[in-house]
Amino acid sequence: EADIYQTPRYLVIGTGKKITLECSQTMGHDKMYWYQQDPGMELHLIHYSYGVNSTEKGDLSSESTVSRIRTEHFPLTLESARPSHTSQYLCASSDSQGQGEFSSYEQYFGPGTRLTVT
Amino acid sequence: KNQVEQSPQSLIILEGKNCTLQCNYTVSPFSNLRWYKQDTGRGPVSLTIMTFSENTKSNGRYTATLDADTKQSSLHITASQLSDSASYICVVSDRGSTLGRLYFGRGTQLTVWP
Repeated sequence: EADIYQTPRYLVIGTGKKITLECSQTMGHDKMYWYQQDPGMELHLIHYSYGVNSTEKGDLSSESTVSRIRTEHFPLTLESARPSHTSQYLCASSDSQGQGEFSSYEQYFGPGTRLTVT
Repeated sequence: KNQVEQSPQSLIILEGKNCTLQCNYTVSPFSNLRWYKQDTGRGPVSLTIMTFSENTKSNGRYTATLDADTKQSSLHITASQLSDSASYICVVSDRGSTLGRLYFGRGTQLTVWP
């Protein structure tokens, strides 16, 4: 089982509150990711990081922000939560295998945070 | 547009029966294809990963096949168990970027009844 952790697992919060979703991994992976997933829908990449002090926005526009000060830690912050932010947020990390353009890598997911904004 | 389509959307089978889930993709250039199992309220867990040169890979009762020419994959589950009830997600990676971007299907929701 992968050593990647997310807290809290469930969060119900009122509109306008600031929240931080925590994600930590103990595998020493350089790459980390945040995905958003609604019920019955595909995962959408919202942020990723190649390593410390590296963060990029993903495919899906998100009002959240991330930081990567330490290799093992990749928190996601919402400055002002809204009902439209209600979703499941999944954190993942990956290693790299192989070389060149055919390299493959395993991506390990955390258990997720189910966020409900009322 | 890079896409991953899965069928059926949902499936109910009896314990002990076999089933096959389908995945069609248009992702190009292709790097690899993965199948993940996602239990309700949990993160996805990898079952298999295949590159373009592999056409079948097994992991216990799970066997994945890949036809890179027709851009199709299947996941066959034999002798199903109640614990197989989950969403099975097909994920395709491209090799057009350093990140190796992942494209996710919406999953097939499998329910195994006793």
